[in-house]
Amino acid sequence: AQSVSQHNHHVILSEAASLELGCNYSYGGTVNLFWYVQYPGQHLQLLLKYFSGDPLVKGIKGFEAEFIKSKFSFNLRKPSVQWSDTAEYFCAVNAPSGNTPLVFGKGTRLSVIA
Amino acid sequence: DVKVTQSSRYLVKRTGEKVFLECVQDMDHENMFWYRQDPGLGLRLIYFSYDVKMKEKGDIPEGYSVSREKKERFSLILESASTNQTSMYLCASSFVPTSYEAFFGQGTRLTVV
Repeated sequence: AQSVSQHNHHVILSEAASLELGCNYSYGGTVNLFWYVQYPGQHLQLLLKYFSGDPLVKGIKGFEAEFIKSKFSFNLRKPSVQWSDTAEYFCAVNAPSGNTPLVFGKGTRLSVIA
Repeated sequence: DVKVTQSSRYLVKRTGEKVFLECVQDMDHENMFWYRQDPGLGLRLIYFSYDVKMKEKGDIPEGYSVSREKKERFSLILESASTNQTSMYLCASSFVPTSYEAFFGQGTRLTVV
């Protein structure tokens, strides 16, 4: 069975600081990888996804993630955070074949302070 | 714009009541999902459906059932609500295969008293 680990439960950063949120997954085969974000009071929305090809994936709002197959990792990065990035971030994985639902990590709450 | 609409944002129910949570999507997606979201536990899959009248158990199906009579509608049923089912419930939908992005509703915050 697939599982996803997010290393940080709560991260607090000052505006303009750089962000890296860790995500590791456990699955033996090929995977699809996703980062979702949930802003306060809003629904989950997709930040970025990786299926194949270039392991460095760019998403919305200046976020990017790098897939490192040897480390089973898909860390999320942003060079300079803003107050509006305050949200909860979820890493998710599923298998590309068949109808396998997303398996989510426990989430990382990001608080950006002025 | 894809819309996944959950019938209620907030619900308060009594222990032992039968509770229906409704979800409708407008993008003709084959797949629909119910997750529950709890602080520190992330999202856990309750049930999903990949076609009308088809359902599959997720990781935590105990105490829940689902119904999918029409493609656009997926209902979550708590047969006899208990306080440990107090949670945020999220509905999602996607195309087949599930490598397509899943779209989420706003969530229903259910409190069982």
